[in-house]
Amino acid sequence: DAGVTQSPTHLIKTRGQHVTLRCSPISGHKSVSWYQQVLGQGPQFIFQYYEKEERGRGNFPDRFSARQFPNYSSELNVNALLLGDSALYLCASSSPTGAYEQYFGPGTRLTVT
Amino acid sequence: AQSVTQLGSHVSVSEGALVLLRCNYSSSVPPYLFWYVQYPNQGLQLLLKYTSAATLVKGINGFEAEFKKSETSFHLTKPSAHMSDAAEYFCAVKLNTNAGKSTFGDGTTLTVKP
Repeated sequence: DAGVTQSPTHLIKTRGQHVTLRCSPISGHKSVSWYQQVLGQGPQFIFQYYEKEERGRGNFPDRFSARQFPNYSSELNVNALLLGDSALYLCASSSPTGAYEQYFGPGTRLTVT
Repeated sequence: AQSVTQLGSHVSVSEGALVLLRCNYSSSVPPYLFWYVQYPNQGLQLLLKYTSAATLVKGINGFEAEFKKSETSFHLTKPSAHMSDAAEYFCAVKLNTNAGKSTFGDGTTLTVKP
């Protein structure tokens, strides 16, 4: 079975622009979570979606938003990009029957110039 | 609320030596605990997990960790380091009340010397 997939792998944006990152969970997983990993730090929780509803939100500004589609894939949107948004964005999916174990995708490396 | 502290941002061992990476957690309810490994420019790979069953947990690649409630610790060990173990390691805690949110430590970079 395919693991969690994310696209694009890398992208470069300019301050003030908008970006959309995409994630496809493992087949059968209905929960998707997004994390931001700044260089030299551990991942920080941004959002969780389950069955297309937001179930959790981390301490991130309203410039960050997300949604989940009927096929359980998800998008993370970031508006008005700042230099500090440069990071690796990780998506994780989980099954409610798997002791809440999360499976991570390879991430999207966002660079804001 | 929950938090994780990883003691030592960098650990260096010789090939064949014991690996010990330290993790202490804080949690208001019984936690689930995880260790992940991250290789350069890659995502996180689960090494092992504690989910309130056996306190000594065995994972992949010869790693194991012991849950000690009295010490609020979940240290990661491997008896004999291999060059391929060089990577960054993250300890994470999750509450059983929120399946989708993990709280991570800042990571420990493991260097293995030949």
